[in-house]
Amino acid sequence: AQSVAQPEDQVNVAEGNPLTVKCTYSVSGNPYPFWYVQYPNRGLQFLLKYITGDNLVKGSYGFEAEFNKSQTSFHLKKPSALVSDSALYFCAVSVTGGGNKLTFGTGTQLKVEL
Amino acid sequence: DAGVIQSPRHEVTEMGQEVTLRCKPISGHNSLFWYRQTMMRGLELLIYFNNNVPIDDSGMPEDRFSAKMPNASFSTLKIQPSEPRDSAVYFCASQWSVSSYNEQFFGPGTRLTVL
Repeated sequence: AQSVAQPEDQVNVAEGNPLTVKCTYSVSGNPYPFWYVQYPNRGLQFLLKYITGDNLVKGSYGFEAEFNKSQTSFHLKKPSALVSDSALYFCAVSVTGGGNKLTFGTGTQLKVEL
Repeated sequence: DAGVIQSPRHEVTEMGQEVTLRCKPISGHNSLFWYRQTMMRGLELLIYFNNNVPIDDSGMPEDRFSAKMPNASFSTLKIQPSEPRDSAVYFCASQWSVSSYNEQFFGPGTRLTVL
């Protein structure tokens, strides 16, 4: 069975500082990790995913994530946080042959303050 | 494309009533997913369809819940009878499922309140 762990319920960071939101996963098979963002009263929006190749993936709004196969992690990063980045972030993973299902983590609330 | 469309956006009903939630996936997508989001349990996959066929309904909480996809452009999630513990935000998502690494696109959700 697949599982995704987001160890931090909330991450606080000052605007302009770098941010990291952590994600680790446990899967049987070849993993495809994703990040989604949810703004208040909205549906989830796709941010980025890892398929193959360069372990550093660049996505929307200046976000990037680093795929680490040995540590089974896919941490989300941004060099300089904005107040508008404040939202709920979900890590998810699917696997080859897993029937297109996404297993989601519990979410991390990011709060960026002035 | 208008994205995934869900209706209604908000539903308030009384315990025991039937509730029907509707979803129109993105044109050309062949997989559709129903999720439920609550503070207590987070985001849960209820059921998903590939090419209009239910593939995995193991997340459906109980027999009061049922879902259908009569064609590629429409799906419903029905709760009958509804109970207060069904109060949640219900999301529909669609995907072009040719591979496991294609992203899902989420609708805006239906916020259900059962009194």
